[in-house]
Amino acid sequence: QVQLQESGPGLVKPSETLPLTCTVSGGPISTYYWSWIRQSPGKGLEWIGYIYYSGTSNYNPSLKSRVTISVDTSKNQFSLSLRSVTAADTAVYYCARGGSWYHHFDYWGQGALVTVSS
Amino acid sequence: QSALTQPASVSGSLGQSITISCTGTSSDVGTYNYVSWYQQHPGKAPKLIIYDVSNRPTGVSDRFSGSKSGNTASLTISGLQAEDEADYCCSSFTTTGIWVFGGGTKLTVL
Repeated sequence: QVQLQESGPGLVKPSETLPLTCTVSGGPISTYYWSWIRQSPGKGLEWIGYIYYSGTSNYNPSLKSRVTISVDTSKNQFSLSLRSVTAADTAVYYCARGGSWYHHFDYWGQGALVTVSS
Repeated sequence: QSALTQPASVSGSLGQSITISCTGTSSDVGTYNYVSWYQQHPGKAPKLIIYDVSNRPTGVSDRFSGSKSGNTASLTISGLQAEDEADYCCSSFTTTGIWVFGGGTKLTVL
């Protein structure tokens, strides 16, 4: 059974960088694509981007200028870096399996609430 | 404002059937059969219940079914049970190569 677990700070200051890591267990990170998705308070889900174990990535144009997603196959992890954050970036951030040819998200982490505040 | 439009809420009685709509455009739902549906209980992660318009993942009850007509996809839940009370969200792949979601529909089981 594939399991995903997000980790990172729960509080980030405005203008700083939001760092999150997703650890995948129960299977290798290769073969599938892996995505980050967020949910702002009281709002719908927003796809942020995906990465493949080879390093191939794709981002939502609405966030592309501030986002980097990277992968560490030796640790079976992938990471999100969101720069220059504002209060509008306050959300629950989920990591999930899916992206590219795999057009749905079948395994999700439990979510990490990140608040942007000074 | 979400890219896909869903009703904010629906309700149904135990044992009845309900349908939740998800309206997109010719740039997403209308072009691709890559519509998926997610069930989300409060404080929990979304759970995939339908993918590629009408397919159910292993372990998901056959009371859940999906369909699509034009730019609108639909999720039907038959034989409503108390445990079905949750938020339901649709998603679609788009011609710009990204995935978009609906705003979510809160299902109340009476």
